[in-house]
Amino acid sequence: RKEVEQDPGPFNVPEGATVAFNCTYSNSASQSFFWYRQDCRKEPKLLMSVYSSGNEDGRFTAQLNRASQYISLLIRDSKLSDSATYLCVVHTGNQFYFGTGTSLTVIP
Amino acid sequence: NAGVTQTPKFQVLKTGQSMTLQCAQDMNHEYMSWYRQDPGMGLRLIHYSVGAGITDQGEVPNGYNVSRSTTEDFPLRLLSAAPSQTSVYFCASSTSGRGIEQFFGPGTRLTVL
Repeated sequence: RKEVEQDPGPFNVPEGATVAFNCTYSNSASQSFFWYRQDCRKEPKLLMSVYSSGNEDGRFTAQLNRASQYISLLIRDSKLSDSATYLCVVHTGNQFYFGTGTSLTVIP
Repeated sequence: NAGVTQTPKFQVLKTGQSMTLQCAQDMNHEYMSWYRQDPGMGLRLIHYSVGAGITDQGEVPNGYNVSRSTTEDFPLRLLSAAPSQTSVYFCASSTSGRGIEQFFGPGTRLTVL
């Protein structure tokens, strides 16, 4: 079983739409959780960390459900500039495990 | 601060050749790691280091060696390149501890013929 599983998409949404991505992880001992953004042929960059209490950064909201081992990312009011691949990342022990990424295209 | 730097940006090798991918960071980070990214596979950890003189294997270590003689540098060596090692390689660094962001280098695009 993979450490982290994500729906690869693609998600094609119109500007202004709300879109949600989900991710599950297999190790209940995992200690930290993140969403990264990766633009085409570039390096991944941190979008936000994910906490059990939920956290929000502008149009982006991340949630962690430890009981279900599930992480989510909600993007409201999508912009063209949100088009990218979103990577779910789980920190377990000394290792970071990446999901395969979910591709988002925001259409004018 | 340059952050995390990687050289070269692109490389073409023939099967059986060896080479070293360079990675350096100027943020005094203890933790450094190497990933490879293949289509549909996400990033997979090759090797990592929690400090100078300490390295360990990740998910896909076969065919690669690393060393960490200084805090700043973490080179990745391909001993005898194979076409299956064609990939994009990313180096990353972070401070140690929970909830800590990893900073990535720009990547090295390697093709093995």
